[in-house]
Amino acid sequence: GAVVSQHPSWVICKSGTSVKIECRSLDFQATTMFWYRQFPKQSLMLMATSNEGSKATYEQGVEKDKFLINHASLTLSTLTVTSAHPEDSSFYICSARGRGGYTFGSGTRLTVV
Amino acid sequence: ILNVEQSPQSLHVQEGDSTNFTCSFPSSNFYALHWYRWETAKSPEALFVMTLNGDEKKKGRISATLNTKEGYSYLYIKGSQPEDSATYLCAFVMDSSYKLIFGSGTRLLVRP
Repeated sequence: GAVVSQHPSWVICKSGTSVKIECRSLDFQATTMFWYRQFPKQSLMLMATSNEGSKATYEQGVEKDKFLINHASLTLSTLTVTSAHPEDSSFYICSARGRGGYTFGSGTRLTVV
Repeated sequence: ILNVEQSPQSLHVQEGDSTNFTCSFPSSNFYALHWYRWETAKSPEALFVMTLNGDEKKKGRISATLNTKEGYSYLYIKGSQPEDSATYLCAFVMDSSYKLIFGSGTRLLVRP
């Protein structure tokens, strides 16, 4: 079946640094990639939607300059958390939409210290 | 703000018990309703995609129903097994934007 590889699965970084999270569709082409984050005891909240080769569309309240999304190819999308702060500590997960429906990565736990 | 609610938040049952959870969603602008099973440290796994009012879908011991007019879906597990322990998520799709709006999930623990 369809697989999305998400890396890293966890990362600890210092406040002020940037962190890049990568999602790669291994055996299908992802026309659309969705990025979510989840705070403890809350729902997965959609941050942004990106289509290959075009700029991402951000949900209300999500800072586009802070969360940089690149979807340069049909198999790779990246989310970069720039100048991370402790309040950015969260669980981030991608979901790729292809012909077979939606396939999720396994998520990245980000801790900013 | 679209609200998708799931109940209960968590459920502990004994092996062999049957159980069900509820997902409530807006009844207007309905496009689809998804159910996922999510085990810790793994990717959410798709269970069902439901699109028509009155839909009933089944996969082994798990089944789901859909009522788009009143805005709810039920997920049933018959004869729960310890390996059914997971968080069950529902996600509402409002239109052809394909954006999934998730509930906060029901965490199921099945005791042997």
